[in-house]
Amino acid sequence: SQQGEEDPQALSIQEGENATMNCSYKTSINNLQWYRQNSGRGLVHLILIRSNEREKHSGRLRVTLDTSKKSSSLLITASRAADTASYFCATENTGNQFYFGTGTSLTVIP
Amino acid sequence: KAGVTQTPRYLIKTRGQQVTLSCSPISGHRSVSWYQQTPGQGLQFLFEYFSETQRNKGNFPGRFSGRQFSNSRSEMNVSTLELGDSALYLCASSLEGGVSQPQHFGDGTRLSIL
Repeated sequence: SQQGEEDPQALSIQEGENATMNCSYKTSINNLQWYRQNSGRGLVHLILIRSNEREKHSGRLRVTLDTSKKSSSLLITASRAADTASYFCATENTGNQFYFGTGTSLTVIP
Repeated sequence: KAGVTQTPRYLIKTRGQQVTLSCSPISGHRSVSWYQQTPGQGLQFLFEYFSETQRNKGNFPGRFSGRQFSNSRSEMNVSTLELGDSALYLCASSLEGGVSQPQHFGDGTRLSIL
């Protein structure tokens, strides 16, 4: 399967702490994207990182990409209860399609 | 700018029936993709339409079909429904499609098969 795999599957932290989730993939990519999904809702695009980039920031989000290890990480700093959601990485395959990982379920405890 | 709109939000059907789901993309977006989301299989790509043509197709049986109209609105049809078709069906739009652009998702249609 070319699908990305997030790790851990579930993560529970206290408000104010940092949350780190990882994504591994199997094939070469041109870019990798991270999405968030609140319960019962659609996915929301968070950040896109291209294969020639190593790190990207957006507000409290920091994404890194290591193409040699075929992995990416998403760091959420100073987490809030509103960050409670599932987080997915999305990669591409040679058929120009998106493959979404299995997701990390993040719970931020107030 | 209005987001991606999917109708209906919830649907209950019985085995053997057929169903049509609708998706209105963001104005100006020409690419519409459909996904099936289940707890066991996660998010799986169904197909992508661009300018009224199916451009990509996932690994789903022929019971799953779709189309796109000239205004970019898209419909997805599932015939001869099976219990395993119970899922959240998500539609996503983007300007030109492909994997180098963010996708904008609707809130989905929750389909339950009895």
